[in-house]
Amino acid sequence: EPEVTQTPSHQVTQMGQEVILRCVPISNHLYFYWYRQILGQKVEFLVSFYNNEISEKSEIFDDQFSVERPDGSNFTLKIRSTKLEDSAMYFCASSERKVQETQYFGPGTRLLVL
Amino acid sequence: QKEVEQNSGPLSVPEGAIASLNCTYSDRGSQSFFWYRQYSGKSPELIMFIYSNGDKEDGRFTAQLNKASQYVSLLIRDSQPSDSATYLCAVKGGAQKLVFGQGTRLTINP
Repeated sequence: EPEVTQTPSHQVTQMGQEVILRCVPISNHLYFYWYRQILGQKVEFLVSFYNNEISEKSEIFDDQFSVERPDGSNFTLKIRSTKLEDSAMYFCASSERKVQETQYFGPGTRLLVL
Repeated sequence: QKEVEQNSGPLSVPEGAIASLNCTYSDRGSQSFFWYRQYSGKSPELIMFIYSNGDKEDGRFTAQLNKASQYVSLLIRDSQPSDSATYLCAVKGGAQKLVFGQGTRLTINP
């Protein structure tokens, strides 16, 4: 069964460093998403991406964040200058269509900022 | 602010019994409703989705939607210890993002 994959599974970085989280969505899916979950808190939406551009973003997704689809399979989230409060699980998700379509989540990347 | 509310639990249910999980949402324009299961340290795993008022059954799971009351529920019949997890209610309006509740931690006691 097709699934969303993410790398790395764990990332430890120093505050102020840049990190890139990588995702390979399900191959026939057209919509891609990033969510994050701070330990013990809700899953929060960050950004959605369609047709090579951001279609929606939350207020969390400020200028330090960016997303890119560098080729036909990968979807990346870059955090330019990490802060302690960026420590969280980051989930990539994808869906086939926009309306009434389920989003399938990858296994996540656990980011720890020291 | 669009909110999704769940009782955080923990909800403790004996093995073989019915577990009932509830969720309310604030945005009347919400169109799609999802239940995800999340084991500790893992990602959300889709259990069911429902779009229309009424009941939808899939195996041991039944989702119930009442748009007038802005209420979604999930029933798990014949609960198994492997059903022990946090259950996340998620709601989608016309936009693309899912809005998640805090989750209800369910424990099935053998």
